Amino acid sequence: DTGVSQDPRHKITKRGQNVTFRCDPISEHNRLYWYRQTLGQGPEFLTYFQNEAQLEKSRLLSDRFSAERPKGSFSTLEIQRTEQGDSAMYLCASSRVLADYNEQFFGPGTRLTVL
Amino acid sequence: AQKVTQAQTEISVVEKEDVTLDCVYETRDTTYYLFWYKQPPSGELVFLIRRNSFDEQNEISGRYSWNFQKSTSSFNFTITASQVVDSAVYFCALSKAGANSKLTFGKGITLSVRP
Repeated sequence: DTGVSQDPRHKITKRGQNVTFRCDPISEHNRLYWYRQTLGQGPEFLTYFQNEAQLEKSRLLSDRFSAERPKGSFSTLEIQRTEQGDSAMYLCASSRVLADYNEQFFGPGTRLTVL
Repeated sequence: AQKVTQAQTEISVVEKEDVTLDCVYETRDTTYYLFWYKQPPSGELVFLIRRNSFDEQNEISGRYSWNFQKSTSSFNFTITASQVVDSAVYFCALSKAGANSKLTFGKGITLSVRP
């Protein structure tokens, strides 16, 4: 059973450019989460999907951010017109609902540096 | 709103010492889950333990043990006989039970185990 994979692992971009990240969850995991982690901080929730439906978005997710999970499998996170403050590690996690809790398995993350 | 506080920021111990990582949480939910995750230098978050709010029984799993006290809203984690490989950032996290179980993380504790 392969784990959660994310691509790319590192991305360096110039301010104002658009970037897109991909997350492939563990097979048959119907929930997929995106988190952002800045240096010295814990991960912060951005958004989550159950199958293809985006069920919640954090206030951290400005209009420049958009996430999709078109077929309920992989997901993409796009940031438009990147700013230096977007520099962070973007983490994806997936889970399968068991009872009323879910154990989230995290991918290795995509580290974004905006110059 | 949920909140997790990890007051310790950095801990340094010598190999084979026991070390306890503190976690205090805030939530208005009556049913919730508490977690500890480990983030080694590679960056990937690794799930360690989970405890639900209605089970205050403390357990030991190998070198890991945890002390959950609802009365003081604390969920402390102990590593016995620490090893160099335990060096990592440790995060305490909280989620409510039910459909949206996004994780709220603390800021993390950097543990350094010296040989």
